[in-house]
Amino acid sequence: AQTVTQSQPEMSVQEAETVTLSCTYDTSESNYYLFWYKQPPSRQMILVIRQEAYKQQNATENRFSVNFQKAAKSFSLKISDSQLGDTAMYFCAPSGAGSYQLTFGKGTKLSVIP
Amino acid sequence: EADIYQTPRYLVIGTGKKITLECSQTMGHDKMYWYQQDPGMELHLIHYSYGVNSTEKGDLSSESTVSRIRTEHFPLTLESARPSHTSQYLCASRPRIDSPLHFGNGTRLTVT
Repeated sequence: AQTVTQSQPEMSVQEAETVTLSCTYDTSESNYYLFWYKQPPSRQMILVIRQEAYKQQNATENRFSVNFQKAAKSFSLKISDSQLGDTAMYFCAPSGAGSYQLTFGKGTKLSVIP
Repeated sequence: EADIYQTPRYLVIGTGKKITLECSQTMGHDKMYWYQQDPGMELHLIHYSYGVNSTEKGDLSSESTVSRIRTEHFPLTLESARPSHTSQYLCASRPRIDSPLHFGNGTRLTVT
């Protein structure tokens, strides 16, 4: 079983600034994968970034990067040069290598302010 | 561009009616999922399938049922809709358990 904690229900950031969304999780799996998803208002949920737990190198996708601390079971998302289109709900989701299920956190509502 | 399709997009229905929410994907994914999500809230897994003729219940107790007769099709049925079923229902799929989920656009259900 997995549990996920996103401790920041809402955050705001000025356009062009940097913001970090936090996520901690607990899992009994020895191998697993971690995902951040973005859900813009009234739009489709899409993948932001993926991290494999056995890789020490932090994943990066353009302006999005993660800080993965395996021992601390922490998986934070950093958004650089924030844009208005980044306004959305962001969900953290670990997925165990031995499980078909994928558990989501409660989400962080991010608002980018012009 | 969505490769996973949900219909209808919006549905308003009276209490006691039977409804089926459709979900189809064209990617050949084995694993499919149904999540329930109230607006701006977390996602709750209600059903999943890891292949044809396999279905499992998720963490959230649900009065719905699902079927998986074909790889591409994973419909969700409510035998008797109630106002407590008012929510958004998201369908998703992925090819392997190390893959991310692909989501549909969702069905927003209102039961009056």
